[in-house]
Amino acid sequence: AQSVTQPDIHITVSEGASLELRCNYSYGATPYLFWYVQSPGQGLQLLLKYFSGDTLVQGIKGFEAEFKRSQSSFNLRKPSVHWSDAAEYFCAVGGGGTYKYIFGTGTRLKVLA
Amino acid sequence: EAGVVQSPRYKIIEKKQPVAFWCNPISGHNTLYWYLQNLGQGPELLIRYENEEAVDDSQLPKDRFSAERLKGVDSTLKIQPAELGDSAVYLCASSRGIDKSTDTQYFGPGTRLTVL
Repeated sequence: AQSVTQPDIHITVSEGASLELRCNYSYGATPYLFWYVQSPGQGLQLLLKYFSGDTLVQGIKGFEAEFKRSQSSFNLRKPSVHWSDAAEYFCAVGGGGTYKYIFGTGTRLKVLA
Repeated sequence: EAGVVQSPRYKIIEKKQPVAFWCNPISGHNTLYWYLQNLGQGPELLIRYENEEAVDDSQLPKDRFSAERLKGVDSTLKIQPAELGDSAVYLCASSRGIDKSTDTQYFGPGTRLTVL
């Protein structure tokens, strides 16, 4: 079955610390992978996406993610977190000739001053 | 470029009342999606339009939910009658819909529905 797992429901980091959010997927075809961020009361904003090519992709706001096919993972990273990064982060998988995305349940990030 | 526009942003209604949500996609985007997002969950697809045609409505509860995209641009999602369990955020997204291999969905701010 196709699915996306975000193992961490909540993560708390101090401002300036590094961040890694985990995402694992199960998908029968070649996956296209996305990370979105959702601030309170807002819609989802695309941070970055992976379709093919270089497995390390750069996104907006200083985020990057690495696609590891052998581990079925697409973890999101940021070297130094800012207080404004506090939000909920969603990983999604699509592709395989379909427009349908499957989303994970999200990871809520809290940033300590 | 303007993003996906949704209205209203918030709606509070009594159960059994009807409610409608409106979405205007990004200009030039042929594909439009309605998603349901329950608290603490990721979005789940309700219906997908390619131009004015609903091409995937398998997850839409058709006994009470309906949607339309008459001219292939903006869209309306309706619930009649609303139930307590319909309280959630309703998200609209759009994409160019030209190439599945590179298509990217862009989301609106959502409508938060509360059914009392």
